[in-house]
Amino acid sequence: EAQVTQNPRYLITVTGKKLTVTCSQNMNHEYMSWYRQDPGLGLRQIYYSMNVEVTDKGDVPEGYKVSRKEKRNFPLILESPSPNQTSLYFCASSLTLQGWEKLFFGSGTQLSVL
Amino acid sequence: AQTVTQSQPEMSVQEAETVTLSCTYDTSESDYYLFWYKQPPSRQMILVIRQEAYKQQNATENRFSVNFQKAAKSFSLKISDSQLGDAAMYFCAYRVRGRDDKIIFGKGTRLHILP
Repeated sequence: EAQVTQNPRYLITVTGKKLTVTCSQNMNHEYMSWYRQDPGLGLRQIYYSMNVEVTDKGDVPEGYKVSRKEKRNFPLILESPSPNQTSLYFCASSLTLQGWEKLFFGSGTQLSVL
Repeated sequence: AQTVTQSQPEMSVQEAETVTLSCTYDTSESDYYLFWYKQPPSRQMILVIRQEAYKQQNATENRFSVNFQKAAKSFSLKISDSQLGDAAMYFCAYRVRGRDDKIIFGKGTRLHILP
C-alpha cells in the first residue's frame, strides 16, 4: 500500500532534549516536505527536499534540521526543542511538484514540549 | 507575496443541505493549480478536489464542486447533500505550475454538520 509513515504519533518531551520525528515513503517520490499546523495559522512549511541530498528552507525553518540521505526517508530533527515548537507536524511527499500531483501526507505527530 | 485566504474560520450546515466554503488567493502568476484538502478528526489529510488554472471548466468530484473565478482569484468549494462524514477542517491550497518548492495553504475552515 502506498503510504507515508510518520512516527511517533504523539510525543511529549522537555525543553532542550533532542528529538527526531521519522518520515518514510514507499512510493519512490522525489519531493518530500515537513509542515507544522497550528490553530489559526494553517499549515506552514518547515523544510522541503526535491531529491536525495537536496534540501531547502521553507517558511518557518528556525529550530529545525532535516536530512535526505536516502530517497525514502526525510527525518525532522529538533536539536533543542522549545515550548513554541509545540505543534502538530506533518510529513508529505509527492512524485515531483512539477505537475498537479497530490501530496501524500503522513498521519501527523502531535508534539508537546514542556 | 503569494497568499491564500480563507475568510471563514468556522461554518455550520444542516445535514443534507448545501454549503460553500470560500477561498481567495493572491498571485501574479497565470499558470497554477488549486486544491482543496480535507482534514477529519483522524488528522489524515485527504485531497478533495483540484483545478488547473488554464481550464475554464469547474472541477467536480461527486458531491464536491468548485467555483473557479480566475479574474477574481476566487476558488470556492461547494458541498452538496452534506453528510456527517463531511465534518472536518478544509484547507484551500495553491501551487505555481513548474515550481517545485511548495504548496501554499490557507488557514482552514472548520465545517460542522448539524444532524
